[in-house]
Amino acid sequence: KNEVEQSPQNLTAQEGEFITINCSYSVGISALHWLQQHPGGGIVSLFMLSSGKKKHGRLIATINIQEKHSSLHITASHPRDSAVYICAVSGGGGADGLTFGKGTHLIIQP
Amino acid sequence: EPEVTQTPSHQVTQMGQEVILRCVPISNHLYFYWYRQILGQKVEFLVSFYNNEISEKSEIFDDQFSVERPDGSNFTLKIRSTKLEDSAMYFCASSESQGAEQFFGPGTRLTVL
Repeated sequence: KNEVEQSPQNLTAQEGEFITINCSYSVGISALHWLQQHPGGGIVSLFMLSSGKKKHGRLIATINIQEKHSSLHITASHPRDSAVYICAVSGGGGADGLTFGKGTHLIIQP
Repeated sequence: EPEVTQTPSHQVTQMGQEVILRCVPISNHLYFYWYRQILGQKVEFLVSFYNNEISEKSEIFDDQFSVERPDGSNFTLKIRSTKLEDSAMYFCASSESQGAEQFFGPGTRLTVL
C-alpha cells in the first residue's frame, strides 16, 4: 500500500512569494497527480505527471521517480491561490484508484 | 467545457436508511470512480468502474456499498444501511481511459443522523 506524505501541512505566505509544496511516496507509481481543493470542497486537477516537469501558467510540477518525490511550485503567488493542494498517486498493475496525501493548506496574504 | 455533475449537493438521512448518490460523468469518459472525504481527513478511494463492472475497490467498499450505471449517463453509489461514520463528502470522478487524468465532480455532502 502506498503512503503519500506532504509537507508542509500548513503554509502562510505573502503575496508575490515563491511557494514550494513537497510530496513523497513509498511505492513505485504509474503517475502522480496534483489537485487543488477550494473551501467549498470541489477538487480540480492541476497536473498529472509520470516524469520530468510540467508548467501551466504560474504553476510548475516536478517529479523525481528514483527518489519518489514531487514538488509543486507557485511563482508570484496571489491571494486567489489560497486553497488546499493535494498530492495523489496512482499505482502500477492497472490499479488507478488514487491514493491521496493529507493536503497542504496554503494561505496567501495580500 | 464538459464537467462531472453530482446530485444532490447535500443529503441528510437517518441512520439505517438507504441513500443513492448520483453522478453524471463526462460523456466520452469510460472509467468512473467514487471517493469519499470525512471532514478534516484526506480523500479516500472507494471504487472504480469500467465496462459495467467494478475494476477495483478499497477495503472501505464493503457489502453496504454498491455501484451501478443504470443508463448511458448516470453512475450511482448506493449505501444500503447508513451508519453515522458514513457522514462524509462523496466525490465522483471520471477519466477517458485507464490511468488518464481524472475529473472530479463538486461532491455530495452526506450527513447521517
